[in-house]
Amino acid sequence: AQRVTQPEKLLSVFKGAPVELKCNYSYSGSPELFWYVQYSRQRLQLLLRHISRESIKGFTADLNKGETSFHLKKPFAQEEDSAMYYCASRGYGQNFVFGPGTRLSVLP
Amino acid sequence: NAGVTQTPKFRVLKTGQSMTLLCAQDMNHEYMYWYRQDPGMGLRLIHYSVGEGTTAKGEVPDGYNVSRLKKQNFLLGLESAAPSQTSVYFCATTGSSYEQYFGPGTRLTVT
Repeated sequence: AQRVTQPEKLLSVFKGAPVELKCNYSYSGSPELFWYVQYSRQRLQLLLRHISRESIKGFTADLNKGETSFHLKKPFAQEEDSAMYYCASRGYGQNFVFGPGTRLSVLP
Repeated sequence: NAGVTQTPKFRVLKTGQSMTLLCAQDMNHEYMYWYRQDPGMGLRLIHYSVGEGTTAKGEVPDGYNVSRLKKQNFLLGLESAAPSQTSVYFCATTGSSYEQYFGPGTRLTVT
């Protein structure tokens, strides 16, 4: 069965510091992985997906099949990055599995 | 172009009452999903649909029923609400790109 874990419930960093939000997955096949973000009082929205290899709002994520990880990184955090971040995977069919989420707080 | 909408936005039920949550989309997407969001649990899939007239169970389907009579609508029903169903419910759709588009959520409290 698919499973996505995010070990940190809350991550606090200072503005300008690097950020890494961890995500690990378990899936026997080749998963498709995503990061979604939920800003305060807004709906969830896609931040990035591993197959596009884009950098969105300065965030990047690399799929590491050996470590089954898809960590989200940003070199210099901004206060507007404060939000709830969810890692998700799409495995067989149209079934998506989300991690428990990490709340990022960027301090001034 | 409203995207994905949900009604109602808020609802308070008493234990044993029933209600239906409506999700509507104007994106012509085939796939629709209902999730519940609970603190520390993330989003958990309740039911989903891969097309008009089809439904399938997700991770936490017990106590819920769904119907997809029209492509643009996906209904989530609670026949006999329980306090454990207090949650925020999100509807989502997916097109060919597999990006999920979410509704604004429905906050349900069962007393």
